[in-house]
Amino acid sequence: GIQVEQSPPDLILQEGANSTLRCNFSDSVNNLQWFHQNPWGQLINLFYIPSGTKQNGRLSATTVATERYSLLYISSSQTTDSGVYFCAVGRRGGLAFGKGNQVVVIP
Amino acid sequence: DAGVIQSPRHEVTEMGQEVTLRCKPISGHNSLFWYRQTMMRGLELLIYFNNNVPIDDSGMPEDRFSAKMPNASFSTLKIQPSEPRDSAVYFCASEGTNSYEQYFGPGTRLTVT
Repeated sequence: GIQVEQSPPDLILQEGANSTLRCNFSDSVNNLQWFHQNPWGQLINLFYIPSGTKQNGRLSATTVATERYSLLYISSSQTTDSGVYFCAVGRRGGLAFGKGNQVVVIP
Repeated sequence: DAGVIQSPRHEVTEMGQEVTLRCKPISGHNSLFWYRQTMMRGLELLIYFNNNVPIDDSGMPEDRFSAKMPNASFSTLKIQPSEPRDSAVYFCASEGTNSYEQYFGPGTRLTVT
């Protein structure tokens, strides 16, 4: 199956700082999604981004499909950004998930 | 839109009992997925359906697990008999016809004692 690697595994940020999370994947995909798992365990859709660049408020994402990686940018981080960020990829069918980036934003 | 609905949200049962998890996908979506999340294995696909037909069940751990989708608005995941190692959060997700984007339900936290 498709392998997904996320880095860094753990990140501690001061409130207001910026950060970049990276996702590398091993094969071509039709689907790439970024999720935020909040402290209650819910998986919140952030971006559906198999290629290109998207922005949503303080978050943005870029996927370079030809080089098999995606980046998630968090700007001006807030404590509510804490949680685990997952990258998930796939072709038609189920998603393969990375192990996640654990982000802690301290006030 | 109510999103993907799962029930129950929490289930505690004793080893050997039958457990049934339920999922209602987003109306109009034609693909449905069951995933499991554990500390050891992370998030992994168990099975997925397209137009109510099981397409890939290679992730189902063993014969104790079964899944059905009798109609477009309902699916069940059954574990019989349950074992402590089945303790996990089980997520259901659905996907529409015009995009590969999947939407997840809130999950069912299963504890088998």
